[in-house]
Amino acid sequence: GESVGLHLPTLSVQEGDNSIINCAYSNSASDYFIWYKQESGKGPQFIIDIRSNMDKRQGQRVTVLLNKTVKHLSLQIAATQPGDSAVYFCAEPDSSSGSARQLTFGSGTQLTVLP
Amino acid sequence: DAGVIQSPRHEVTEMGQEVTLRCKPISGHDYLFWYRQTMMRGLELLIYFNNNVPIDDSGMPEDRFSAKMPNASFSTLKIQPSEPRDSAVYFCASSLSAGKETQYFGPGTRLLVL
Repeated sequence: GESVGLHLPTLSVQEGDNSIINCAYSNSASDYFIWYKQESGKGPQFIIDIRSNMDKRQGQRVTVLLNKTVKHLSLQIAATQPGDSAVYFCAEPDSSSGSARQLTFGSGTQLTVLP
Repeated sequence: DAGVIQSPRHEVTEMGQEVTLRCKPISGHDYLFWYRQTMMRGLELLIYFNNNVPIDDSGMPEDRFSAKMPNASFSTLKIQPSEPRDSAVYFCASSLSAGKETQYFGPGTRLLVL
């Protein structure tokens, strides 16, 4: 079936370095993607989103890149800080449900920022 | 805005007891979602509502689970009777019908069934 998945379950980076978290998707018709951040003991928090008519979108210290050719998106965090330590999920509307309101979440990547 | 509000934040109960989780969505949002999160299965959608009406409950694991939304500002998820395998974090999320599909999550309820 269609799925959204993550390449790596864990990522460790030095404080101040840039982080890149990857996500692969299998549905070529997917037209909208969301990145969420989930800190320990908290709910997923919206970070940034991107539509398929764009290949790049920037926020505060974060950039999402979308490569529709290889069905891959990435979340880049500049100058990673200890507060960035969390699990990061990519999500897309669930095409199998018939409702764009349902989201399919990837398994998540645990980002650990080292001092 | 206060965001999505959930209560209780933590619940410890014994097997067989009834558990009721509560959610207040963001004001003006007309979609409400209930999720369950475990290490083994990740985030699972249980049920969602649109304008207080249940739209898809195919994710509800068993008849022991039920959800209601009596008005636009309140929803409950009930487990009766509870079992140890129901132990998880339960999240409520809400979104707007117009525009983006972005869902905004509450802080979750950590449920432990002994």
